[in-house]
Amino acid sequence: DAKTTQPTSMDCAEGRAANLPCNHSTISGNEYVYWYRQIHSQGPQYIIHGLKNNETNEMASLIITEDRKSSTLILPHATLRDTAVYYCIVRLYNNNDMRFGAGTRLTVKP
Amino acid sequence: ETGVTQSPTHLIKTRGQQVTLRCSSQSGHNTVSWYQQALGQGPQFIFQYYREEENGRGNFPPRFSGLQFPNYSSELNVNALELDDSALYLCASTRGASYNEQFFGPGTRLTVL
Repeated sequence: DAKTTQPTSMDCAEGRAANLPCNHSTISGNEYVYWYRQIHSQGPQYIIHGLKNNETNEMASLIITEDRKSSTLILPHATLRDTAVYYCIVRLYNNNDMRFGAGTRLTVKP
Repeated sequence: ETGVTQSPTHLIKTRGQQVTLRCSSQSGHNTVSWYQQALGQGPQFIFQYYREEENGRGNFPPRFSGLQFPNYSSELNVNALELDDSALYLCASTRGASYNEQFFGPGTRLTVL
């Protein structure tokens, strides 16, 4: 699976959009981009995933560049409860392991 | 709440001992994966069980072993504990071997002294 690069930490004001970038320049054509988050002392929580097209669900939007070498997770209206470590993972759909990196620590401030 | 439960919550062992951790998957899920998360790092894949058979393994030695039962609950066994085995152990369940979404349990915090 391709390697991902994320900033170590980011801050966001409560109520504003949080935009979390991820670089995956070695991604191959059949690898998906997944996002999970982990709130302190809890298990990771699935957020969203995509292949080529932008995706949106009740939690977030995923924007994947046309060349698929990078993506951005958007939390449209961040709340204090969105403070967590966010992991960007690139993997084949049928691979049975998820390779988490160090992630981005997002802090939402009042 | 994901419906995935793990026991015990916390555990303290000494070096050289053996430990068994347990995981109950979400209803309807037949696949369980186990992860090790050291302090300050992301989870690392240990292995996966699908319909009671091991279905993939990460870079962990054989002293890490597992079982899955007919009700799809699972155990992680670690023999000859080492200090570096101190970590949060997470299990995740999903339906089938696909990975649309994994549901993680709260984890078991293992401390090896």
